[in-house]
Amino acid sequence: GAVVSQHPSRVICKSGTSVKIECRSLDFQATTMFWYRQFPKQSLMLMATSNEGSKATYEQGVEKDKFLINHASLTLSTLTVTSAHPEDSSFYICSATARGRGNEQYFGPGTRLTVT
Amino acid sequence: LAKTTQPISMDSYEGQEVNITCSHNNIATNDYITWYQQFPSQGPRFIIQGYKTKVTNEVASLFIPADRKSSTLSLPRVSLSDTAVYYCLVGDDSNYQLIWGAGTKLIIKP
Repeated sequence: GAVVSQHPSRVICKSGTSVKIECRSLDFQATTMFWYRQFPKQSLMLMATSNEGSKATYEQGVEKDKFLINHASLTLSTLTVTSAHPEDSSFYICSATARGRGNEQYFGPGTRLTVT
Repeated sequence: LAKTTQPISMDSYEGQEVNITCSHNNIATNDYITWYQQFPSQGPRFIIQGYKTKVTNEVASLFIPADRKSSTLSLPRVSLSDTAVYYCLVGDDSNYQLIWGAGTKLIIKP
């Protein structure tokens, strides 16, 4: 149990376009969802935290107008990278905590974004 | 700022026991210690979590001394497929484990 999926797994887009990444908890209700970004050979960097039905809380230095997060339901959160630039190319990973299972995070497989 | 400190990298050989130690001098009373494993281009995977003393599951053991200022992840009889980055995090239900340190890159050799 506790499976998290992400879609797409890989995406290539042109500079200036927007890309939406979906994160779904497949077999549990996610009380909280997290979005991370990971550059090559670096650790995970938290971008934002979101609870269903409420606005996301962004980490310092993360532009909320550029990285739009919508937590529409207890099983779905989306991250939209708007007006993408090559420097936004990265590995984006979502995670979720499950109701009644404490603070363990269940991670999605990640989405590799390449902006050309 | 990461709440934990780990060695950047470690090497070992197939069949050996590997111990990775993490320092968390400022661990709070309510914090748990959690270890994750990450393979390249994949999301991290939960390995084990503990609060104090020793915890064991089917893949690893976690040793936590009485002062809880450090913890040691023990991987018995490693194989090549255990080559990965291992992250140690601390946090409780209110603050989770959101600040990730650099992790330990473990390389298993044949």
